[in-house]
Parts: sequence; structure tokens; C-alpha cells
Amino acid sequence: GQQVMQIPQYQHVQEGEDFTTYCNSSTTLSNIQWYKQRPGGHPVFLIQLVKSGEVKKQKRLTFQFGEAKKNSSLHITATQTTDVGTYFCAGQATDSWGKFQFGAGTQVVVTP
Amino acid sequence: DAGVIQSPRHEVTEMGQEVTLRCKPISGHNSLFWYRQTMMRGLELLIYFNNNVPIDDSGMPEDRFSAKMPNASFSTLKIQPSEPRDSAVYFCASSLSQFQPQHFGDGTRLSIL
Repeated sequence: GQQVMQIPQYQHVQEGEDFTTYCNSSTTLSNIQWYKQRPGGHPVFLIQLVKSGEVKKQKRLTFQFGEAKKNSSLHITATQTTDVGTYFCAGQATDSWGKFQFGAGTQVVVTP
Repeated sequence: DAGVIQSPRHEVTEMGQEVTLRCKPISGHNSLFWYRQTMMRGLELLIYFNNNVPIDDSGMPEDRFSAKMPNASFSTLKIQPSEPRDSAVYFCASSLSQFQPQHFGDGTRLSIL
């Protein structure tokens, strides 16, 4: 079955530094979504990518969908303490009819 | 706008008891998802509905788990009998369609003693 893997599992970042988290799927995706979950909270939708090679930006966050539509990345520049949380990617396979497979998430800790 | 509403927020019960979790999706949303989140297994999709019809329940752990969606504004997830390994945070999410972003509720933190 479809598997979605995220790396790294944990990311310790100094405030002001950049970092990237990666998402890889075992199957071709029709689209991919990214969510952020703050400690004790619930996942909150950030972005959806649909097109091959698509790049979208939200302020300091840059999201990219791979050319083969099997991987994606989230890059955060100038990390702030508000970026603390777990970032999940969720991929929808082309034959999944609506079922999104969530990755294990990247837990981000920011050191002031 | 009211988001996805889940109840109860916390539930502590003894093993063997029946547990019922409730969810009210966002009005107008046609897809509803039930997830379970644990440290060990992460966020797992249990079941999802489209227009009140179960589409994929392959994530339901076993026969002890059942889910219903009698109408567009209400869904339940039932565990009977409950076991300690069912302890987790259970999230309900809804979306306009199965291809759209999902809006999560605050979750139910379930502890089975």
C-alpha cells in the first residue's frame, strides 16, 4: 500500500536559522497537503500542492512538489519560536479516491 | 464560523466499557474523517465518509470499532469493548470534498484504564 515518509523526525533549530523537512511517497500522488500541529493542538491545514514542480510560498514558508509528484518539501527561513510544532505532509495517491496518507511528521523545536 | 465540534474533550473509563465519541462537521462539508493519534503510530486514518456513506474503513483496527454517520451533521465512533491499547487522541475532520483541505476538531483524549 501507499507509504508516506517524512524526514527528519525531529529538528532542533536555532532561532533565525533555516531548515527543510522532506516528504517522500512510495506512489505517485495526485496532490499533497501540509499541516502544522502545535503541542496539545490539532492539525491545521497550511497548503495544498497539485501540479508537478509546483512551488508555493507563505511568508517564510516555501512548499515544493517534486517533478515526479512523489516527493515534497517544506523550507522555513529565519525560524521563529512561533514555528514550534509538528509538520505533517499528507499525500493522496492517484487511485486512492480521497484517502490521504499522513506522514509521521517532523517535530520542530526552536531554541531562542 | 463554527469549526468541527467533537465531544467529549476528555474521556477516562475502565477497560471493557463502551465508549462513544461524537463529531459535528462543518456545515456544508461532504467528507468526514476519523483519525487516531498516538506517539507510537502517529496519525492514522480510521474511516472516512463521503455524503454520509462510508468509503474506506480499512483503517478501523478491529470489530470492536464502529462508526456511523446517520446524517450530514453528525457522526459517532464507538469502541466496544474498550481496551487500554485504545488510549489515544481521536480526531474528527471534515472537508468540502475528499480532495479538499481537512478541518480538524480539537480531538477527544481517551484514556482506558
